[in-house]
Amino acid sequence: AAGVIQSPRHLIKEKRETATLKCYPIPRHDTVYWYQQGPGQDPQFLISFYEKMQSDKGSIPDRFSAQQFSDYHSELNMSSLELGDSALYFCASSLYRTNQPQHFGDGTRLSIL
Amino acid sequence: GEDVEQSLFLSVREGDSSVINCTYTDSSSTYLYWYKQEPGAGLQLLTYIFSNMDMKQDQRLTVLLNKKDKHLSLRIADTQTGDSAIYFCALEDTGRRALTFGSGTRLQVQP
Repeated sequence: AAGVIQSPRHLIKEKRETATLKCYPIPRHDTVYWYQQGPGQDPQFLISFYEKMQSDKGSIPDRFSAQQFSDYHSELNMSSLELGDSALYFCASSLYRTNQPQHFGDGTRLSIL
Repeated sequence: GEDVEQSLFLSVREGDSSVINCTYTDSSSTYLYWYKQEPGAGLQLLTYIFSNMDMKQDQRLTVLLNKKDKHLSLRIADTQTGDSAIYFCALEDTGRRALTFGSGTRLQVQP
């Protein structure tokens, strides 16, 4: 079965640069969630989208923005990168009205030098 | 907000049963999940339980939910070395559907 696809798998940036992470949800899933997992930490919810509209916001810094497109894929845009942004970024998707669990992608590992 | 706690480390011998515990503060969660994460890898959904259930069994996995004590546990029968990983419990906020994760329990299985 198709899973959540994230790209790139690894990304290396320098401080103050920008980065864009992409997420392709499971086909027919209409909701996308973004989580950030710092080294040795548990995943923290950043933001979610339902039917291309932002549905909820967690601990997402103002330097980050995200959107969901008409094909339901989502992009997380990160600007003025800081060393503390080094983390594993997960995308998850679900079909909202079915109350089925969120399925996670393999994550993008972002390293800031 | 929701506070979810897990013990940090558990060591068992191969073939034994493992029990990983999770306590939480907010009782309004609809679904409670267990995810497995191997080093450098993603989050693998193991199982989940609806809040109106007390127990769910899925092959070697048994989930117990004690709503009164706000306690969730995952029992792995016949633990194998391949079960070595970090296990996260996660609760779904009814209104938001965002997940709140526990700090994770590192399971080490000794041969």
